[in-house]
Amino acid sequence: QVQLQESGPGLVKPSETLSLTCTVSGGSISSYYWSWIRQPAGKGLEWIGRIYTSGSTNYNPSLKSRVTMSVDTSKNQFSLKLSSVTAADTAVYYCAASAGTLFDYWGQGTLVTVSS
Amino acid sequence: AIRITQSPSSLSASTGDRVTITCRASQGISSYLAWYQQKPGKAPKLLIYAASTLQSGVPSRFSGSGSGTDFTLTISCLQSEDFATYYCQQYYSYPPTFGQGTKVEIK
Repeated sequence: QVQLQESGPGLVKPSETLSLTCTVSGGSISSYYWSWIRQPAGKGLEWIGRIYTSGSTNYNPSLKSRVTMSVDTSKNQFSLKLSSVTAADTAVYYCAASAGTLFDYWGQGTLVTVSS
Repeated sequence: AIRITQSPSSLSASTGDRVTITCRASQGISSYLAWYQQKPGKAPKLLIYAASTLQSGVPSRFSGSGSGTDFTLTISCLQSEDFATYYCQQYYSYPPTFGQGTKVEIK
């Protein structure tokens, strides 16, 4: 059973870069695509993008100019960087595993607030 | 991006009721539609994929149907643990997109 755990700062200042890491356990990081999905309070879900262990990425066009994802197979971790954040980026951020873009496993989520 | 319109946005129902939630895609997505259940403070949980295939461990009171642009999630006999928010998601094309959610509340 794959388990995921997000980590990173819960507070980021406007215009700065949000950085989160997801640690994978209970399964091979080479077996899935690894996605980030976010959910503003009381709102729906937005897929941010995904990375494979080869390093290949797909990003949501709505965020593509600000998103960078990376993977560290030696640590069973993958990461998200979102630059130039504003209050609109305040959300719960989830990491998730998928065979494609069907999300089988999710982390518990981490709240990131953008505020000065 | 493909837009997914989910309805209703909320509904009130009693234990034992039959509940139906619909999703409509802005263009045909074949059967590339999934349903998730989310409880407060928790991550979504995959219930159904390929429009009608139950994920392992999901009770048989959940069912899905549809193809093309119109899809339905049915809970045949609502249980107390089913009160939650339900989301549909298309995975036919990039980016994958979600409906806005349906909150199922206790009447």
